Formats: sequence, structure tokens, C-alpha cells
Amino acid sequence: GALVYQYPRRTICKSGTSMRMECQAVGFQATSVAWYRQSPQKTFELIALSTVNSAIKYEQNFTQEKFPISHPNLSFSSMTVLNAYLEDRGLYLCGADWGGETLYFGSGTRLTVL
Amino acid sequence: QQQVRQSSQSLTVWEGETAILNCSYENSAFDYFPWYQQFPGEGPALLIAIRSVSDKKEDGRFTIFFNKREKNLSLHIKDSQPGDSATYFCAAINNYAQGLTFGLGTRVSVFP
Repeated sequence: GALVYQYPRRTICKSGTSMRMECQAVGFQATSVAWYRQSPQKTFELIALSTVNSAIKYEQNFTQEKFPISHPNLSFSSMTVLNAYLEDRGLYLCGADWGGETLYFGSGTRLTVL
Repeated sequence: QQQVRQSSQSLTVWEGETAILNCSYENSAFDYFPWYQQFPGEGPALLIAIRSVSDKKEDGRFTIFFNKREKNLSLHIKDSQPGDSATYFCAAINNYAQGLTFGLGTRVSVFP
């Protein structure tokens, strides 16, 4: 079955510092990777969508300067949260698919900012 | 404006009952509707999905009923078990380039 691994599972960083999270697709080639943030209130915000052979598309309120994403091959993606502050806390989810509409999510990286 | 709306924030059922979760959407162009199940501390897991050309999709104890004209759908969980206690998200997509749009979730509690 399709598996998406995210690591670390949880991380704590000081306000103003940065942290990097990684996402690995196992058992399939991820032609698209979507990064979401789930707030403490459980709402999902799409940060950016990365499709192979296309530029990474960021949603409104999210920028490459704040959330740089790397998608170097069909099984790996990483995202960094630069200069993290309290409003950046939440569960960051990586969803991957292999060409259909269905996204398979990892367990997420929970970011706490002190 | 919430493009995908789930009518209940929470739902409580007894073990063995059928839990019914309702979802409606605004965008007529949405044509694929996955439901995700999320346990505390975990990411959302794909449970079952339906395309807009169908009006019903069944997978074990889980069934989606879809009404394109009314722009709504429902997830039925038959013979609910305590292990089904989780938050369920209705989602929709029309063009993969735009990503999935999620509802706010319905937290289901199944009591023995």
C-alpha cells in the first residue's frame, strides 16, 4: 500500500528560529506533493502544491521566502519554516499522490514554537 | 466562505448504531470527494472516496451517498465500533492543481 513518512513527528523551536521537515513516499512515485498546515482548531490550510515538472505553487498567505520547499525527486520533499513564530504552530502535513486525485498523508510534523 | 461544510462538529452514537455524517459543498465543479479519518496525534487517513458520476460508494461498513443536484453527500458508518471514534473530514477537489478543500471535520464518539 501507499505510505507517506514524515519526520520529525514533533519538534519544538524557539521563536525566530527555523526548522526543516521531511516527507518521503514509500511504495509509489509521488508526482505531486501538497503541504498543509492543520491548526489547533483542526482547519486545514494548503501551503503549497508541488507537481513534478512544474513550479511549486504557493497559496495566498504563504510564500517561498517563509516556507521554502524542495522536491528533488519523486519520493522526497522537504519544507522549512523560517523564522518561526507563535502563529506558525500546528500540525504540518505532507500529502502525496501518483497522478490521481487522492492524497495520502503522512502522520505530520507537529511544530511547537516557544 | 467555507467551500465544504460539514453540518455537525460532533456526533455521538452507541456501539452498533449507524453514524451519519453530512457534508455539502459550494463549487459545482468539484468532482471527487474523499473522506478522511483522523485519530488524535495522527495525520488524516483516506477512508473512502466517490466521484461525482456516482451516487453511492460502499466499502465494508462505510458508505457514501452522493447527491449532485443538491450538492451534498453523506458518510454512513454501519455497526459503529468504539474504534471508529475519530474526526472525519469531508474533502473535495475539481482540479488537482488547486489541491483538496477540506471541511472542518465531525468528531464521532462511539460509546459501548
